[in-house]
Amino acid sequence: EAGVAQSPRYKIIEKRQSVAFWCNPISGHATLYWYQQILGQGPKLLIQFQNNGVVDDSQLPKDRFSAERLKGVDSTLKIQPAKLEDSAVYLCASSFSGVKSTNEKLFFGSGTQLSVL
Amino acid sequence: SQQGEEDPQALSIQEGENATMNCSYKTSINNLQWYRQNSGRGLVHLILIRSNEREKHSGRLRVTLDTPKKSSSLLITASRAADTASYFCATDKEGAQKLVFGQGTRLTINP
Repeated sequence: EAGVAQSPRYKIIEKRQSVAFWCNPISGHATLYWYQQILGQGPKLLIQFQNNGVVDDSQLPKDRFSAERLKGVDSTLKIQPAKLEDSAVYLCASSFSGVKSTNEKLFFGSGTQLSVL
Repeated sequence: SQQGEEDPQALSIQEGENATMNCSYKTSINNLQWYRQNSGRGLVHLILIRSNEREKHSGRLRVTLDTPKKSSSLLITASRAADTASYFCATDKEGAQKLVFGQGTRLTINP
């Protein structure tokens, strides 16, 4: 079975620029997650989708971050404008049903490493 | 906000020894999960243990859960160099629909 695909693998931008990340979850997985992982820390949930609806975006900095999941499959996460503190790895994950998503294991992509200069 | 906290933050042992990592959490949970992350990669699920379970095994991994003490431990027996990675516990809160990850334990296995 194909895993969670993310692109790009690396991105270097200057502060105040915009950047977008793409994620293709495992086929048939209803729930998709975006996590931010700062160096040396655990992943922090930014946004959780079930199909194309938002389940949780309480920790998403909505003044600069946005995410969408059109048609309940692929998702994009955008930062506009980027700040230095946004330097991190952005991980996408998916799980099968999401009905009781915390009872299921998450499948992670390899992440996009963002450096903001 | 952090729900699970791992201890120790870093652990270095010799190949063949056993490695034990601990996770403590603050509020009641439905289940607890352990993940491994190799350098530069995404997280890989290891084990899920439910709040009504006390112990679970998977190959060389053994996870225990002590709900009165709000803690869990991950034991890796007969460690190998390939076990070098960061290990994270993830917990939910009863009634919540999201997993919260701890800061992780960086495990180094020396050949």
